[in-house]
Amino acid sequence: DAKTTQPTSMDCAEGRAANLPCNHSTISGNEYVYWYRQIHSQGPQYIIHGLKNNETNEMASLIITEDRKSSTLILPHATLRDTAVYYCIVRVASPGANNLFFGTGTRLTVIP
Amino acid sequence: EAGVAQSPRYKIIEKRQSVAFWCNPISGHATLYWYQQILGQGPKLLIQFQNNGVVDDSQLPKDRFSAERLKGVDSTLKIQPAKLEDSAVYLCASSLLKGGDNEKLFFGSGTQLSVL
Repeated sequence: DAKTTQPTSMDCAEGRAANLPCNHSTISGNEYVYWYRQIHSQGPQYIIHGLKNNETNEMASLIITEDRKSSTLILPHATLRDTAVYYCIVRVASPGANNLFFGTGTRLTVIP
Repeated sequence: EAGVAQSPRYKIIEKRQSVAFWCNPISGHATLYWYQQILGQGPKLLIQFQNNGVVDDSQLPKDRFSAERLKGVDSTLKIQPAKLEDSAVYLCASSLLKGGDNEKLFFGSGTQLSVL
């Protein structure tokens, strides 16, 4: 399984962009990069995913490097409600088994 | 659209007792997952169902944990007997598509278990 490396924690000022990095140097060509986040006392919540191209949705943007060995999740205007643990996950491409392997993630604290 | 429902929200038991958790996935979701999340760690998969069949239970401690998904809808996870190290949040998740890399998982809020 491709592993990911994320910083343990980060701070971001409210209203500023939060840029969360992730390294996945052993990613395979058919594996996607997924981002989930977990707010305190809740289950993880899907944010965004991508394969090669940069992706954007209503929650965030995902920038994947050309060699696919790393990526960055961008929250364009962080709010206090974005304080959470953010998980970068490389999806195992295994027939019939589609679960997600979570690491310890990055704890993002948005500061007023 | 209703999300993944789990109950109870909290449970406190003594070691060697038994406990059961219930999960009702999002309507129409064929795949159901149970995860265990120990404090300070990311969730770890215990078992995955596809309809009412088990896809992956390789990480389930089968000597004390059991799970079923009768009729391919809601599911129950049981621990018997419980140990101190079973203290964790038990998360249920479901997904719509049978397979493919674009599958998204939707999680419930979990059941927080404390074993004393």
